[in-house]
Amino acid sequence: KNQVEQSPQSLIILEGKNCTLQCNYTVSPFSNLRWYKQDTGRGPVSLTIMTFSENTKSNGRYTATLDADTKQSSLHITASQLSDSASYICVVSAIPSGGSYIPTFGRGTSLIVHP
Amino acid sequence: SQTIHQWPATLVQPVGSPLSLECTVEGTSNPNLYWYRQAAGRGLQLLFYSVGIGQISSEVPQNLSASRPQDRQFILSSKKLLLSDSGFYLCAWRAFTGTIIANTGELFFGEGSRLTVL
Repeated sequence: KNQVEQSPQSLIILEGKNCTLQCNYTVSPFSNLRWYKQDTGRGPVSLTIMTFSENTKSNGRYTATLDADTKQSSLHITASQLSDSASYICVVSAIPSGGSYIPTFGRGTSLIVHP
Repeated sequence: SQTIHQWPATLVQPVGSPLSLECTVEGTSNPNLYWYRQAAGRGLQLLFYSVGIGQISSEVPQNLSASRPQDRQFILSSKKLLLSDSGFYLCAWRAFTGTIIANTGELFFGEGSRLTVL
C-alpha cells in the first residue's frame, strides 16, 4: 500500500530561524514528489517537484532534497518569515496504471513561525 | 491562463439536508478533476476523481456522490447530510506535463468550501 509519512506533525520556530521537514514514502513505482504549502483556510499550492533523477531543488528560501534509495525527502526553510506559517504537505505520485493518477498525500507538518 | 472556481465558500447545513458544491475549471480541456475533504487537523482525503465527462471513481464509501455533467464542471452532492460530513472540501484539477508514462503534472486547488453540519 502506498503511504507517505511526515514528521514532525507540528513545529514552532522563531522568525529568522531555519527548519527542516521530513517525508518518508513507500510509493511504488515512483514518479515524482511534490511539496505543497497550505495556508489556513486555503487550497494547497505546489512549492517544488522532485523527480527520480533529482537530488536537490531550490525555490527561493525553500530547498527540497530527495533520496530515492531510502525513499526520503526533506524540505528546508531558510531564514523563516511569519508568512511561512502554514501546513506543508508531501505528495508522492506513482507511475500511473490504466491512465489514472492518484497521488498519495502525507498528513502535513504544521509550521508556526513566531516573531 | 487556467483558473478553478469553487463555491460556495462557506455553508452551514442542518443534519439531513441536501448538499451541492460546484467546481468549474477554465482555460483547459479534458482535465482530471478531484474532490478532497480535509477534516480539522487532518490530511487531505480523496473522495472522488474523474478522467472525463460522466466518468466518476469513488475512493471511499460514504454519504456523498459526485457528477461531471460537463467537461470542466465537477459537482459534489449529498441527499442527506450527516454530522460527520463537516469539513473543508477542496476541488482540484491536474495539469498534464512530462510524459504519459511519468506525468509530473501539478494539482491546482480551488479555494475550498467549508461545510458545517449542525
